[in-house]
Amino acid sequence: DGGITQSPKYLFRKEGQNVTLSCEQNLNHDAMYWYRQDPGQGLRLIYYSQIVNDFQKGDIAEGYSVSREKKESFPLTVTSAQKNPTAFYLCASSRWTDSYEQFFGPGTRLTVL
Amino acid sequence: EDKVVQSPLSLVVHEGDTVTLNCSYEVTNFRSLLWYKQEKKAPTFLFMLTSSGIEKKSGRLSSILDKKELSSILNITATQTGDSAIYLCARNSGGSNYKLTFGKGTLLTVNP
Repeated sequence: DGGITQSPKYLFRKEGQNVTLSCEQNLNHDAMYWYRQDPGQGLRLIYYSQIVNDFQKGDIAEGYSVSREKKESFPLTVTSAQKNPTAFYLCASSRWTDSYEQFFGPGTRLTVL
Repeated sequence: EDKVVQSPLSLVVHEGDTVTLNCSYEVTNFRSLLWYKQEKKAPTFLFMLTSSGIEKKSGRLSSILDKKELSSILNITATQTGDSAIYLCARNSGGSNYKLTFGKGTLLTVNP
């Protein structure tokens, strides 16, 4: 089955630790995205990548980092510099030519203890 | 500021009711407006609207765009409990066509 997978489903982190969230897609999509969702808020774009080895900051990139070494993978690292990291994180992907239709993974819920 | 505003933020109805969800956007460049349904986790795509006045329909759901009013509505007729979800509206500006700007969503609860 084609789709987007994210792991882990739930993640707990102590303050001061970096954590990495995984996102993998087998849809052969060029573009991938990371969003953050807080209660009562819409999705806010953290980072996006159009092609391998290239990525751009979104609206709330501070305290996060990404890499895009393979087309299928776009991991997100939440660093200790992110002041309020507790949130629901969603990864998405799209084709480049009609990139407005984005397909989402099931999400990772990160809680900072 | 580039905003997408959805209303109402939450709505509770009974099965069989018809609901209308609203989305308005503030932008000079516009490419498309999208609607997503988010039940528990991953948002799923419903509609993409690019042309004003043309209704998109899928079963009991329909949506239409009004470019003059910079707005869109999502209608759900004969609601069912399975329609309970957050409905998200997103705008694509086209200038950087890989970016979507989302509204806060409308939480719809359909009671039996």
